[in-house]
Amino acid sequence: NAGVTQTPKFRVLKTGQSMTLLCAQDMNHEYMYWYRQDPGMGLRLIHYSVGEGTTAKGEVPDGYNVSRLKKQNFLLGLESAAPSQTSVYFCASSYSRLSGYEQYFGPGTRLTVT
Amino acid sequence: AQKITQTQPGMFVQEKEAVTLDCTYDTSDPSYGLFWYKQPSSGEMIFLIYQGSYDQQNATEGRYSLNFQKARKSANLVISASQLGDSAMYFCAMRPYGGSQGNLIFGKGTKLSVKP
Repeated sequence: NAGVTQTPKFRVLKTGQSMTLLCAQDMNHEYMYWYRQDPGMGLRLIHYSVGEGTTAKGEVPDGYNVSRLKKQNFLLGLESAAPSQTSVYFCASSYSRLSGYEQYFGPGTRLTVT
Repeated sequence: AQKITQTQPGMFVQEKEAVTLDCTYDTSDPSYGLFWYKQPSSGEMIFLIYQGSYDQQNATEGRYSLNFQKARKSANLVISASQLGDSAMYFCAMRPYGGSQGNLIFGKGTKLSVKP
């Protein structure tokens, strides 16, 4: 099992450019999440999905869109990148939303917007 | 409001000694889970230990134990016999049962440095 994978690992964008981050999991998990991690802060939830075809906003959704067309994939899009979106992005998945099920994290994508 | 507070930005510990990383939480949910994750300098998030709010006993996983004091809303991580490889950022996180999200709420982390 590969677990949770993220593509790409690193990216540099110019202000106004767009890009899509891909998250894939092979554990048949229903729940998937996108977080961002900024220096001196913990991870904050951007968007999440409770199943194929469903998405919802998290704590910091502005400037991002997501799609979950297939159960195993969760895409995070930046339509017009801004320097404030410079961050490390983590995807995570979980079998259940219930307390006892851990979230499995991908390796992260380091994004720099100049 | 749901919140995790880690008051120690950085900690030092001597190799082979035990160390406690503090975590307090705030939630109005009667049911919740508490997690600790380790983030080494390579950046990945590694799950360490989980404690359910209704668990009677403190969770243990190898050298990790969670000192759960429900009345004080604290969930401190204890690492016994520290090793150089324990040097990393440590994040406390909470997952309330209420709501449909299932996401984790993270603290800001504690940077642990293990000295030889």
